[in-house]
Amino acid sequence: ELKVEQNPLFLSMQEGKNYTIYCNYSTTSDRLYWYRQDPGKSLESLFVLLSNGAVKQEGRLMASLDTKARLSTLHITAAVHDLSATYFCARGQGAQKLVFGQGTRLTINP
Amino acid sequence: GAGVSQSPRYKVTKRGQDVALRCDPISGHVSLYWYRQALGQGPEFLTYFNYEAQQDKSGLPNDRFSAERPEGSISTLTIQRTEQRDSAMYRCASSSGTVSNSPLHFGNGTRLTVT
Repeated sequence: ELKVEQNPLFLSMQEGKNYTIYCNYSTTSDRLYWYRQDPGKSLESLFVLLSNGAVKQEGRLMASLDTKARLSTLHITAAVHDLSATYFCARGQGAQKLVFGQGTRLTINP
Repeated sequence: GAGVSQSPRYKVTKRGQDVALRCDPISGHVSLYWYRQALGQGPEFLTYFNYEAQQDKSGLPNDRFSAERPEGSISTLTIQRTEQRDSAMYRCASSSGTVSNSPLHFGNGTRLTVT
C-alpha cells in the first residue's frame, strides 16, 4: 500500500528560526508536490519536484527531493508569521493521481 | 473564471437523501479531479477525468458515489442515499495537462454534512 508520511504533524516555532518538514513515501516516484493550506481555505501549489536531486526555492521556503531515499524536505528559513499554515506533500501515483500526506500544521509565533 | 468554482459551498442533508456537487474548472483545463478531505487530514483521491472521459474512479468509496463530466467542462459528483460517514469537504481540482507537467488547482470545496 502506498503511504506518504509527514513529520512532524505539528510544529510551533518562533519567528526568525529555521526548521525542516520531512516527507517520506513508501514506493519510488519521480514526482513530489508541496501544497499550502490556510485555515478554512483551499490548497495552494508551492512546488513541483520532478526528478532526483531537484531543489526549488521561493522566498523563505526551499523544497528538495531525494528519490533514492524516498524523501522530500521543505525547509523554512528565518520564519515569519505569514508562513503559519498547514503544509502537505503529495506523491504522484500512476498517470494523474496524487496521494497526500497527513499534513504538517505550522504555527509561527512572534 | 479565474479559479476552480464549486457549488454549493455548504450542503446539509438528511441521511438517505441524494446530493449533487458541482465543479466548474478553470477555463481550458483538460483534467478535472475530485478529492475528499476529512478534517485534519490530507485530501483523498476519488476520481478524475481527461476531457469528458472518466479515466480513474478507483477512489470512489462505493457504488453510491458517481461522477460525470459530459461536455468536458463542468463536472458533477453525485452521492446517493447519503450516510453520516459521507460528511466531509469535497474538493474539485483541475489542471492544464497531465499531473507530471502541471500542478492541481483546487477549488474552495463543498462542505457536506449528513445529519
